[in-house]
Amino acid sequence: AAGVIQSPRHLIKEKRETATLKCYPIPRHDTVYWYQQGPGQDPQFLISFYEKMQSDKGSIPDRFSAQQFSDYHSELNMSSLELGDSALYFCASSIARTGYPTEAFFGQGTRLTVV
Amino acid sequence: SQQGEEDPQALSIQEGENATMNCSYKTSINNLQWYRQNSGRGLVHLILIRSNEREKHSGRLRVTLDTSKKSSSLLITASRAADTASYFCATDRNYGQNFVFGPGTRLSVLP
Repeated sequence: AAGVIQSPRHLIKEKRETATLKCYPIPRHDTVYWYQQGPGQDPQFLISFYEKMQSDKGSIPDRFSAQQFSDYHSELNMSSLELGDSALYFCASSIARTGYPTEAFFGQGTRLTVV
Repeated sequence: SQQGEEDPQALSIQEGENATMNCSYKTSINNLQWYRQNSGRGLVHLILIRSNEREKHSGRLRVTLDTSKKSSSLLITASRAADTASYFCATDRNYGQNFVFGPGTRLSVLP
């Protein structure tokens, strides 16, 4: 079965540079979530989108922005990168179905290293 | 403080033994999901339990939910070395708009 696809898998950037992470949800899933996981930490919610509109916002820095496109893929744009942004970034997707609980399925993540 | 806190933080057992991990949370939830993560890899969805369910089984996994105590447990029976991973619970409080993860339990299954 198709899973959530994230690209790139690994990314190395220098301080103050910009990075763009991409996420392709499971086909027919209408909701996308972004999470950040630092070393030894639990995943922290950044932002989510439902039907291309922002659904909820968590601890996402102002330097980061995201959007969901018409084909439901999503991109997380990160500017003015800092060393502390080094982390594993996960995308997850789900499908909203009336009367059913929402199960979120995660991609393999993008490991961002800022040097 | 964190919604969804795992207990214990680390657990070492022998192959064949059962492993129990607990998760507590602070606010009411719609459902609770358990995930497994191998070191530095993706989060694998294991099982979802709704707020009106008390117990759920999937293969060697058994999940319980006690909404009065705001806690859940994940039991892995007859553990295998391949079960070595971190296990997280994630709570859905807002009808799928976001999921809040706890700190995770690192399970080591020794051969």
